[in-house]
Amino acid sequence: GEDVEQSLFLSVREGDSSVINCTYTDSSSTYLYWYKQEPGAGLQLLTYIFSNMDMKQDQRLTVLLNKKDKHLSLRIADTQTGDSAIYFCAESMGYGGATNKLIFGTGTLLAVQP
Amino acid sequence: GAVVSQHPSWVICKSGTSVKIECRSLDFQATTMFWYRQFPKQSLMLMATSNEGSKATYEQGVEKDKFLINHASLTLSTLTVTSAHPEDSSFYICSARDVSQVLGYNSPLHFGNGTRLTVT
Repeated sequence: GEDVEQSLFLSVREGDSSVINCTYTDSSSTYLYWYKQEPGAGLQLLTYIFSNMDMKQDQRLTVLLNKKDKHLSLRIADTQTGDSAIYFCAESMGYGGATNKLIFGTGTLLAVQP
Repeated sequence: GAVVSQHPSWVICKSGTSVKIECRSLDFQATTMFWYRQFPKQSLMLMATSNEGSKATYEQGVEKDKFLINHASLTLSTLTVTSAHPEDSSFYICSARDVSQVLGYNSPLHFGNGTRLTVT
């Protein structure tokens, strides 16, 4: 199947680190992505990782990829109240070309307590 | 770069009427655009892939006569919800990728801000 699973909810205190987890299904996915969605808005691309990488860091964001276990995580350092949102992981599926589509996870609601 | 604009942001219509939603790539050309639907507190479900100059490809279970897609130019795709009913009320989001970027067809999708459709 094409299920991409995430935990539904995460609550952290401001200044702590947040870790959002994701498991995906397609071992042939070339790229995996993290998106952020604020209430009533579209999706904002946060970062992505190529499948032959184990880790990628981008400022406060660290992505870890365990390809053997098909597990992806997003760590947000020094979490701020402005980070409160829903976070989606997505895997790329397709046979290459323009029709490559993204399959999204179930989304994790991150609540940051001041 | 890679900005996707969607219009309108929200629309309220009466049952039985049709609603058109526009999706534009502002600073790049997109031969392919993707239409998603999102129910409250749920994930995004891919409805269809819009192809410039040819027919859209619909996902299983999506009625093509209900959700008409037209991709008339390299920067514009439209989704028309025909004879809308309350169960069509949802958040519709379009997306596109700029394949001229270094990742080509693996470039990330960029999303519009979505259209909240309410059918009364």
